[in-house]
Amino acid sequence: QSVLTQPPSASGTPGRRVTISCSGSSSNIGSNYVSWYQHLPGTAPKLLIYRNNQRPSGVPDRFSGSKSGTSASLAISGLRSEDEADYYCASWDDSLKVFGGGTKLTVL
Amino acid sequence: EVQLVESGGGLVQPGGSLRLSCAASGFTFSSYWMHWVRQAPGKGLVWVSHINSDGSSTDYVDSVRGRFTISRDNAKNTLYLQMNSLRAEDTAVYYCTRDYDMDVWGQGTTVTVSS
Repeated sequence: QSVLTQPPSASGTPGRRVTISCSGSSSNIGSNYVSWYQHLPGTAPKLLIYRNNQRPSGVPDRFSGSKSGTSASLAISGLRSEDEADYYCASWDDSLKVFGGGTKLTVL
Repeated sequence: EVQLVESGGGLVQPGGSLRLSCAASGFTFSSYWMHWVRQAPGKGLVWVSHINSDGSSTDYVDSVRGRFTISRDNAKNTLYLQMNSLRAEDTAVYYCTRDYDMDVWGQGTTVTVSS
């Protein structure tokens, strides 16, 4: 049981926009930054969004993050086949890092 | 190039020990907090432990506290995870990652605990 709650799956067709939600509480998302990671099995996870809505250099602007209260979301626009992966939100809770359970994104 | 390379994984019997290493290059290792994160088969990412830049402060997820020890050698640009009293549920790919935002990750090393 993860501290942060994500839907187990999401899907979309190429070119469309998909949103992945992440729900927490006042002790984690409500009082700390949220980050998002993309993970393809067998590879290193990749930081997509940090400090709620900042993109590291090299991450396309198709990826965007937002936070409101104790929830956050990742939006992917212009969906591409290579976006098919697992996505994790993360935050801090009492000085410990906590992850969501992950969302498997399928590009139909 | 900024890089993290894990090593030390393998097959170990329940109750056994392993020491994982994470070699850092391409950045000033001694300036960064470091973490270990694991992923059990078919499960999600779970934060395991972190250590501050000079090694004076550490913390652990409850399930490993008292069994695992994180440490670092800034002269060797290397992060360690000493894992004792290993259990089947510790079976996972273990990743090292850098800083508050976890902006750089290694490829992982696989630990299998089984008799």
